[in-house]
Amino acid sequence: DAKTTQPTSMDCAEGRAANLPCNHSTISGNEYVYWYRQIHSQGPQYIIHGLKNNETNEMASLIITEDRKSSTLILPHATLRDTAVYYCIVRVWGGGADGLTFGKGTHLIIQP
Amino acid sequence: SAVISQKPSRDICQRGTSLTIQCQVDSQVTMMFWYRQQPGQSLTLIATANQGSEATYESGFVIDKFPISRPNLTFSTLTVSNLSPEDSSIYLCSVETLGQGTTRDFGPGTRLTVT
Repeated sequence: DAKTTQPTSMDCAEGRAANLPCNHSTISGNEYVYWYRQIHSQGPQYIIHGLKNNETNEMASLIITEDRKSSTLILPHATLRDTAVYYCIVRVWGGGADGLTFGKGTHLIIQP
Repeated sequence: SAVISQKPSRDICQRGTSLTIQCQVDSQVTMMFWYRQQPGQSLTLIATANQGSEATYESGFVIDKFPISRPNLTFSTLTVSNLSPEDSSIYLCSVETLGQGTTRDFGPGTRLTVT
C-alpha cells in the first residue's frame, strides 16, 4: 500500500471545523483513502473512506484532490470528544488480508 | 459494523508465563486479525487468523510466540507465550467481511502488563 504523510499534531478550538490533511502522493488508481481514529485507550474507529469523489457521512467529510495525491478530513463542529489520533490510510478496496497499515497519525487536540 | 468483545480487558502477568486473549464477534465475519500496539506507538499487524488452518504471520512474528486459533467464523484466540516486559502492549482483535469491502472493525483491546 502507498504511504501517507500526516502532521504529528494539531489543535482546534471546540465548535470549529477541524481540517486534517494527508498526503498520499504515490497512491494507485485502485486504492481508496480511509480514515480511522483512536480515542485514548480504545480500539480504532472507522470514520470514512473515498476513492476520488468527496464523501460525507454523519461523522465527517472527506475531500480528495483531483489528482488524488492528498486529502483532507473535516470534522465540521469539533467537540472535546473528538480529541484522538487520526489515521489516514490508503488501501485497495476489499483489501482483505493486508492493506490496513497504520502510520503514526495526527494527534488532534480539541481545546475548550 | 460488527460488535467485538475481548477477554480479558486487561491483565498483569509475570515474566515467563503466557496469556490467552479471546475475541468474540456478534456476527460471522470473513477475516479476523490480531494487532499489537506498544506504548506510545501505532498499531502493528501480528497475523491473520484463518478458520481451520494455521494463521498467517507478519514479518517479525512467529507462531511459537503468538499461537492463534480460529475454530469458527465468530471466535479467535491469541496467546502471548513466554512473556517478557517487552510484551507489555495493547492487543487488538479486528474483523472484516470481504464482499462488503468497507471497514475493518476493531475490538476494545486487551492491555497486558508484564512484570
